Amino acid sequence: EVQLVESGGGLVQPGRSLRLSCTGSGFNFGDYAMNWVRQAPGKGLEWVGFIRSKPYGGTTEYAASVKGRFTISRDDSKSIAYLQMDSLETEDTAVYYCTRRVTSVAATDYWGQGTLVTVSS
Amino acid sequence: AIQLTQSPSSLSASVGDRVTITCRASQGINRALAWYQQKPGNAPKLLIYDASSLESGVPSRFSGSGSGTDFTLTISSLQPEDFATYSCQQFNSYPLTFGGGTKVEIK
Repeated sequence: EVQLVESGGGLVQPGRSLRLSCTGSGFNFGDYAMNWVRQAPGKGLEWVGFIRSKPYGGTTEYAASVKGRFTISRDDSKSIAYLQMDSLETEDTAVYYCTRRVTSVAATDYWGQGTLVTVSS
Repeated sequence: AIQLTQSPSSLSASVGDRVTITCRASQGINRALAWYQQKPGNAPKLLIYDASSLESGVPSRFSGSGSGTDFTLTISSLQPEDFATYSCQQFNSYPLTFGGGTKVEIK
């Protein structure tokens, strides 16, 4: 069974950093691109960014709202994707989801349960 | 960035109704669109990919259509478990973007 489990969320002050982890199981993690998607309280979904699988270069793409502040990386040996969030702003408060991207079609097929990040002083 | 505009933002419907939700892209995205269902407190669930392909395990009352800029999600006969928020997402170009969501409520 495919599972994605996020961890690392919590309360953080504006301007500080936080690193989220996404641990995958039940599939060959290294074969898939991994996305991060967030949802602010009571709001819609916002794509944050993604990292390609190593066969596709392992490169990253980001939303304009986080580019230069957030960094996505992966450790395929541990089946983990990371979201390093620096210079956090109150507007970054959201539930952060890790999702698996299906390369050959337009879709992300599995989502984690999400982890809440609250940026507040 | 490509903008996705969903309409309506919310609707009230009864069990058994046919429900149609639209998603309009600010520029052509071929068929690179997915639809998701989200219930309160839960992660979204994939319903439709490539604009019209039904994800495995999703009931056949859900269908998707469209290409280019105009897309539709249809629920042929609304069931009690279908009351949720539905969102579209484009995969044509980066940054990937979502529509604002459509909340389907009980009438």
